[in-house]
Order: sequence, then C-alpha cells, then structure tokens
Amino acid sequence: EVQLVESGGGLVQPGRSLRLSCAASGFIFDDYAMHWVRQAPGKGLEWVSDISWNGDNMGYADSVKGRFTISRDNAKNSLYLQMNSLRAEDTALYYCAKDMGNSYGFDIWGQGTMVTVSS
Amino acid sequence: DIQMTQSPSSLSASVRDRVTITCRASQTIGSYLNWYQQKPGKAPKLLIYAASSLQSQVPSRFSGSGSGTDFTLTISSLQPEDFATYYCQQNYITPYTFGQGTKLEIK
Repeated sequence: EVQLVESGGGLVQPGRSLRLSCAASGFIFDDYAMHWVRQAPGKGLEWVSDISWNGDNMGYADSVKGRFTISRDNAKNSLYLQMNSLRAEDTALYYCAKDMGNSYGFDIWGQGTMVTVSS
Repeated sequence: DIQMTQSPSSLSASVRDRVTITCRASQTIGSYLNWYQQKPGKAPKLLIYAASSLQSQVPSRFSGSGSGTDFTLTISSLQPEDFATYYCQQNYITPYTFGQGTKLEIK
C-alpha cells in the first residue's frame, strides 16, 4: 500500500525547534520530489517546502525561509522538516505529500501531524 | 508570488446539480494547475492535474478545463459524497500557491 506517515508534531514554545518526519512506503521513494504543506486550524492549504528526488534542490515559502530546512534520507525512505525559531503563526497541521512528477501535482498525502506553537 | 483566486468561496447545491468552480491565476501558468478535494478531518485528494487530466480512480463526473490564467472545475452531477472543500493549486513555479478554497455545501 502506498503510504506516507508523518510524526514529530506537538506543543512547543515560541522560539523553540521541532523536527517533523515522514515515512514513505509502497513506492520508489527516491524517484520522486516531496513536499510539505500546512493547514492552520480552520484555514486553507499553504505550500511550505519541497525537495528534489536526490535532495540537491530545495524550495521554501517566504514565510518559513531561513527558519525551516527540508531534507530527505532515501536509504530510509524518509522526509524531514527541521523547524527553528517557531512562531505562533506556524501553528498548523503539517502534511507531507508526494509529487507525481512531470509537474502533475501531489498524488499521495499523509494524514498530517499537528504543530502547536504556544507559551 | 502567483496569487490564485477561487470563486465562489462557498456554494450551496443539490444532489444531481451541475456545479462549476473557477480559479484565476495572477499571471499565466500554462496548464500547471491542479484541483484537490478535502473533506473534514481528511488530507486533500488530487482530482485533476495539468488542468484537465483526471487522476486515477476519480469519477468521470469531475472535469477540469482552462489554460493561461483562467481555469474551471466542473462536477456534472453532484453526488452526496462530493460535498467538501475544493482547492486549486498552481505548480508552475514555487511557491506552489493554493487558492483560498471553495466550500461546497448541501442546499
């Protein structure tokens, strides 16, 4: 079964750090770019970051640039998001998503992991 | 950044109705436009990619059209399971922005 499972969310104080993980299974992980997308409570979807299949190229939303770092370990079929200097506005459900390739959209999504930034 | 604007933001319709949701990009994006469906408490689901290609296992009552800056998602005959929120997304250039969403409710 094709699956993405996120973990690592939780309650964290402003200014602190958190690392999210996404475990992939059921497909050839290192064939595809991967993404993080977040959704604040009751709000819409916001693309956060992406990484190429081999990890050589990354992109970030302006709202997280310089604070968040995306990475992957193809040997472990895993995607990561290191989040530093967290702010209240980073509170959201964080999804990892698989890129279809050929700029065809995100075809597989995890169930999400909740990050709450609050003192 | 490319801004994606959906209309309407909400819509009430009945089962078997034909429904159209529009999405406008702030600059041309070719056909790099995707549509997602999201139900409460669930992850988004890809419906349409590359503006008009139907994702595998998505019912044929869903269709997409458009190119450049103006796009539409059409549901030809609404079914009870289609009541959800729909998002467009451009993947022409990062940041891959989403529209604000269209909430489709039962009339």
